[in-house]
Amino acid sequence: DAGVIQSPRHEVTEMGQEVTLRCKPISGHDYLFWYRQTMMRGLELLIYFNNNVPIDDSGMPEDRFSAKMPNASFSTLKIQPSEPRDSAVYFCASRPQVGTSGKVEQFFGPGTRLTVL
Amino acid sequence: DQQVKQNSPSLSVQEGRISILNCDYTNSMFDYFLWYKKYPAEGPTFLISISSIKDKNEDGRFTVFLNKSAKHLSLHIVPSQPGDSAVYFCAASANFGNEKLTFGTGTRLTIIP
Repeated sequence: DAGVIQSPRHEVTEMGQEVTLRCKPISGHDYLFWYRQTMMRGLELLIYFNNNVPIDDSGMPEDRFSAKMPNASFSTLKIQPSEPRDSAVYFCASRPQVGTSGKVEQFFGPGTRLTVL
Repeated sequence: DQQVKQNSPSLSVQEGRISILNCDYTNSMFDYFLWYKKYPAEGPTFLISISSIKDKNEDGRFTVFLNKSAKHLSLHIVPSQPGDSAVYFCAASANFGNEKLTFGTGTRLTIIP
């Protein structure tokens, strides 16, 4: 299995521009999570989906952030307009249903390093 | 409000000695705990976990201890090896892992050869 795939790996953009981050979860995984990593707050959960449906978006910082999961193999995190304080590493993770797999751990992608100038 | 706390941002340990990483939590609903390891430019990878029905779980050089009354867990690595140098994240979940994970801020472990 290729693991969780994220693109792009690096993104540099100017303040006010729209940014779209992409994620392909591991095939067969029912849950997909978006995280943001910063020095001050560590790994923060932004939003997660179960079977393509958003379950908890309480971590999304503000209306500038939105996430979609149109199908089981693809999700996007969009920031519009972007601001310098959005600069961070964004991770996508997935996992199967705990009940069927017995596994709780999430599998992370390599992350997208976002820099907003 | 940080529900999972790793109060030591960094730790340096001599190769061959024991590394002890600590984690505290405040939410009494947490009943499943995980440790993740992260190398630079990579995503976190799962290391070891423990359910609240246990107080210890061991996997090779890695052992996690859970003290429910103190809401404290620790990761022991013995003996420490240079490849263990990484950032370690503690994470917690309710409902035996069926809920979302809440992560700490991480501890950077450096193993000195």
